[in-house]
Amino acid sequence: EPEVTQTPSHQVTQMGQEVILRCVPISNHLYFYWYRQILGQKVEFLVSFYNNEISEKSEIFDDQFSVERPDGSNFTLKIRSTKLEDSAMYFCASSDLRQGLNYGYTFGSGTRLTVV
Amino acid sequence: RKEVEQDPGPFNVPEGATVAFNCTYSNSASQSFFWYRQDCRKEPKLLMSVYSSGNEDGRFTAQLNRASQYISLLIRDSKLSDSATYLCVAGNAGKSTFGDGTTLTVKP
Repeated sequence: EPEVTQTPSHQVTQMGQEVILRCVPISNHLYFYWYRQILGQKVEFLVSFYNNEISEKSEIFDDQFSVERPDGSNFTLKIRSTKLEDSAMYFCASSDLRQGLNYGYTFGSGTRLTVV
Repeated sequence: RKEVEQDPGPFNVPEGATVAFNCTYSNSASQSFFWYRQDCRKEPKLLMSVYSSGNEDGRFTAQLNRASQYISLLIRDSKLSDSATYLCVAGNAGKSTFGDGTTLTVKP
């Protein structure tokens, strides 16, 4: 079964440092997403990416965040200057879009980001 | 008002019980609806899409009422392996919102 791959599985970084989280979405999917989940809290939408540009983003996705699809397979989330409150599990997802409808996300296993 | 609101739970049921989860969504423009399950510290996994006509997959039945903006999930003959957090999701291609989740524990 096709899967979404995320690396690293766990990243520890110092406050103020830049981090890049990496994802390889399912190859024939058209929409890519980043979600995050702070420990014990709900899954929160960050951003969606379609046709090589941001489709939608949430209030969480401020100027400290950026996404990129540097080649045909990778999809990255960059946090420029990490804060303690950025500590969370970050999930990448991709979806199969047919006739304009989303047929469900496939999530990667996540990157646990710990900012110290 | 939350965009997606679920029963707060938790639900603790014996094996073999039938359990129902309810969810409402506030954005009437939502077109895609799902139930996901999430095991502790794991990624959400798609359980089923939800359609207006209702859909069934084995012991699981999902219903959507667009007029009431209401989504439900029924689990029949619950198994120990059904213990997880169930997430209601509503949205569109560009963005979907997850509910807070309802935790189910199935006991022997």
